[in-house]
Amino acid sequence: DSGVTQTPKHLITATGQRVTLRCSPRSGDLSVYWYQQSLDQGLQFLIQYYNGEERAKGNILERFSAQQFPDLHSELNLSSLELGDSALYFCASSVGQVAGNEKLFFGSGTQLSVL
Amino acid sequence: KNQVEQSPQSLIILEGKNCTLQCNYTVSPFSNLRWYKQDTGRGPVSLTIMTFSENTKSNGRYTATLDADTKQSSLHITASQLSDSASYICVVRRGSQGNLIFGKGTKLSVKP
Repeated sequence: DSGVTQTPKHLITATGQRVTLRCSPRSGDLSVYWYQQSLDQGLQFLIQYYNGEERAKGNILERFSAQQFPDLHSELNLSSLELGDSALYFCASSVGQVAGNEKLFFGSGTQLSVL
Repeated sequence: KNQVEQSPQSLIILEGKNCTLQCNYTVSPFSNLRWYKQDTGRGPVSLTIMTFSENTKSNGRYTATLDADTKQSSLHITASQLSDSASYICVVRRGSQGNLIFGKGTKLSVKP
């Protein structure tokens, strides 16, 4: 168990809908990262928050948004969903900025299926 | 372009055999290189992390090597077990403030 909690584990919805994925980082970790993993693709970095502030942005669509709350949990909001948004969404956390030998810990992911 | 390429894409070996997975990267500037193991449907788990000055790092039956001059890394698995069946992902961090760049992984199947 990595200590990173993601809910829900599975989500099935229809095109055009909006969903919210939730992540609780490991105790003491200030950074939260969101990644998307489509079938047979590598993990694609979406966005990073550090202590409540957006720190880095990757290939995140305008239809997607995220935030990190004062208790450090994070939510990823996906709106106007399309079939191509079906993927595994992972949250990861670290104490700082994964510099040097600092580890990144991943949750078990949320499997999103858009029908 | 900052990329991480892994080979082979997939590999099947018999239980007890050794294998070596390859990772080539063009990420610059380089900060560190990580190998992760990802079981199907689960999140990746860190195996090793190597910075510029480290050539070899071991974690049990897993040994990673890094050649920063040729921008190549390998992950050697010794005496494979059925539980080693997973995807192995090479990840390079770009610079001290940059993002982690993930390879697509090598899918390893260990057969009895």
